[in-house]
Amino acid sequence: DVKVTQSSRYLVKRTGEKVFLECVQDMDHENMFWYRQDPGLGLRLIYFSYDVKMKEKGDIPEGYSVSREKKERFSLILESASTNQTSMYLCASSYPGLAQTGELFFGEGSRLTVL
Amino acid sequence: QKEVEQNSGPLSVPEGAIASLNCTYSDRVSQSFFWYRQYSGKSPELIMSIYSNGDKEDGRFTAQLNKASQYVSLLIRDSQPSDSATYLCAVTGRDDKIIFGKGTRLHILP
Repeated sequence: DVKVTQSSRYLVKRTGEKVFLECVQDMDHENMFWYRQDPGLGLRLIYFSYDVKMKEKGDIPEGYSVSREKKERFSLILESASTNQTSMYLCASSYPGLAQTGELFFGEGSRLTVL
Repeated sequence: QKEVEQNSGPLSVPEGAIASLNCTYSDRVSQSFFWYRQYSGKSPELIMSIYSNGDKEDGRFTAQLNKASQYVSLLIRDSQPSDSATYLCAVTGRDDKIIFGKGTRLHILP
């Protein structure tokens, strides 16, 4: 069964802390994505990656960075957490190709609270 | 700015009736279209994808695409209380970027 696993379901961090959100997929997908979801704002793309060592900025990359050292793992890093980064973070993966790219498999989400 | 628009709802539909969810998109060259279902507190899951004009049926779900009108819809027949969720429309264009609408909340009335 297809699986995208996010390391932490709930995190509470303090302003200024460095935060790592880990995502692992077992489907051999090339594409991986990080979104955040906020009430009234929908899903917003932070970063994505179409291959190992490759990363592209999404719509709201400010304050975030990513790492993809292995095909199955895509990490989201908040260098210095701020209260406006309190959100639900969703990792997703998909196969490459025009049709398949949008067929996303999501992890369960990581709810981050920054105090 | 490429956009995907959905009515936020809530859309209330009696159990057993047809629920009709609509989505419009601004980028005329969009190629692939998707419907995701998201239960409260859960992550989205893909329920339908459609790539060419016309209808595509899968069980109680039918996706409809009209590229000339830049319009995608999802019909849910014989609606069940378990269909109560937020439905997200998503569109990809030539650059493979996936754009999500903000979702329509559907409430099936028992």
